[in-house]
Amino acid sequence: QKEVEQNSGPLSVPEGAIASLNCTYSDRGSQSFFWYRQYSGKSPELIMSIYSNGDKEDGRFTAQLNKASQYVSLLIRDSQPSDSATYLCAVNRRYGGATNKLIFGTGTLLAVQP
Amino acid sequence: KAGVTQTPRYLIKTRGQQVTLSCSPISGHRSVSWYQQTPGQGLQFLFEYFSETQRNKGNFPGRFSGRQFSNSRSEMNVSTLELGDSALYLCASSIAGTQLNTDTQYFGPGTRLTVL
Repeated sequence: QKEVEQNSGPLSVPEGAIASLNCTYSDRGSQSFFWYRQYSGKSPELIMSIYSNGDKEDGRFTAQLNKASQYVSLLIRDSQPSDSATYLCAVNRRYGGATNKLIFGTGTLLAVQP
Repeated sequence: KAGVTQTPRYLIKTRGQQVTLSCSPISGHRSVSWYQQTPGQGLQFLFEYFSETQRNKGNFPGRFSGRQFSNSRSEMNVSTLELGDSALYLCASSIAGTQLNTDTQYFGPGTRLTVL
């Protein structure tokens, strides 16, 4: 079992629709969760971070965390063609409470059709 | 505030050579992490440096090493390059303050290394 799992896609949605991206993780000790967006040939760009169970909204983006189910999701409302990219789910595992190590999923390719 | 910078952006080397990549973190950030991204393996953690000390290391051979300077700038070195080392090498920095559970990593543009 991979530590962080995502459906590789592609996930195709029409412009203006809601895109739903999902991620599961295996380490129950994980404390912080991130969504990064990566355009082809570019580096990952932070979209959202979430640390507590529930929803967190930022503009058109909503991150959802359910630690009991070990599940993180990202909703993109009013999807635009410019949202077409690979979305990476990342989980931060801490060692001894003092270090950082991001474990990434393989990413979901989102294609927003005009 | 300037973002994370990495140099060089592109590099072509041949097998057996060594290479040094540089990363300057966001001002005020004390932690620098390095990642390797390949089409087959995705994004994989190499190591993290904080206060000039390596705090964590991923599952990479000893040919991969790094260091951090007193101004938080970091370098990573790969010796005896292999074809499989061709990848995008990403550096990420974070504040690494007292609120560790909310520490967030920001990525630089990466260095594209091609080994021939």
